[in-house]
Amino acid sequence: KNQVEQSPQSLIILEGKNCTLQCNYTVSPFSNLRWYKQDTGRGPVSLTIMTFSENTKSNGRYTATLDADTKQSSLHITASQLSDSASYICVVEGSQGNLIFGKGTKLSVKP
Amino acid sequence: GAGVSQSPRYKVAKRGQDVALRCDPISGHVSLFWYQQALGQGPEFLTYFQNEAQLDKSGLPSDRFFAERPEGSVSTLKIQRTQQEDSAVYLCASSPGSWGNTIYFGEGSWLTVV
Repeated sequence: KNQVEQSPQSLIILEGKNCTLQCNYTVSPFSNLRWYKQDTGRGPVSLTIMTFSENTKSNGRYTATLDADTKQSSLHITASQLSDSASYICVVEGSQGNLIFGKGTKLSVKP
Repeated sequence: GAGVSQSPRYKVAKRGQDVALRCDPISGHVSLFWYQQALGQGPEFLTYFQNEAQLDKSGLPSDRFFAERPEGSVSTLKIQRTQQEDSAVYLCASSPGSWGNTIYFGEGSWLTVV
C-alpha cells in the first residue's frame, strides 16, 4: 500500500535553532516528492519539489534531501523563526499523477 | 484573482442538509483537485478534473459526494444529506498541467455539521 509516514508528529524548538523533519514513503513507482508548509487555518503552500534524481534542494532557510534508494526524505530548517510555526507536509507523487500526503509534522517555534 | 479562491470559507450545516462548496482555480489551470482534511491529518484525495473531465473520483467517500466542473474552470463540490463525519476542511487545488507541476491550494472551506 502506498504510504507516507512523517516524524516526529510534533516538535517544539526555540527561535534561532535548527531542526530536521523526516519523511519515509513506500510509494512505488515514484515520480517526485514535495514538501508543503501549512499555516493554521490556511491551505498548504509548496516549499520544494524533487524528482528521484535530485538529492538536495534548497528554498531559503529550508533544505530538503531525498534518498530514493532508502525512500527517505528530510526537511531541514535553519535558524528558525517564529513564522516557521506550521505543519509541514510531505507529499509523494506516484507515476500516475496521484498524490499521497503524509499526516504532517506540527512545528512550534517558541521565543 | 492571483490564487485559488474557495467559498464559503466557513459553513455550519445541520445534519441532513445539502451543501455546495465552490472553487475558482487559477485562470488557465488545467488540473483541479479536491481534498478533504480532517483535524490534525494530512489532506485526503477526493477527486481530480482535467479541464471539464472528471478523470478520477476514487476518493469520494460515498454517493452523497458529487463534484462537477462543467466549463473547465469553476468547480463545485456538493455534499448531500450531510452527516457529522463530513465535518472537515475541504481544500481545492489547481495546477497548470499534470505530473510534476506545482499545485496551488486554496484556503479551504471549513464545514461543520451539527
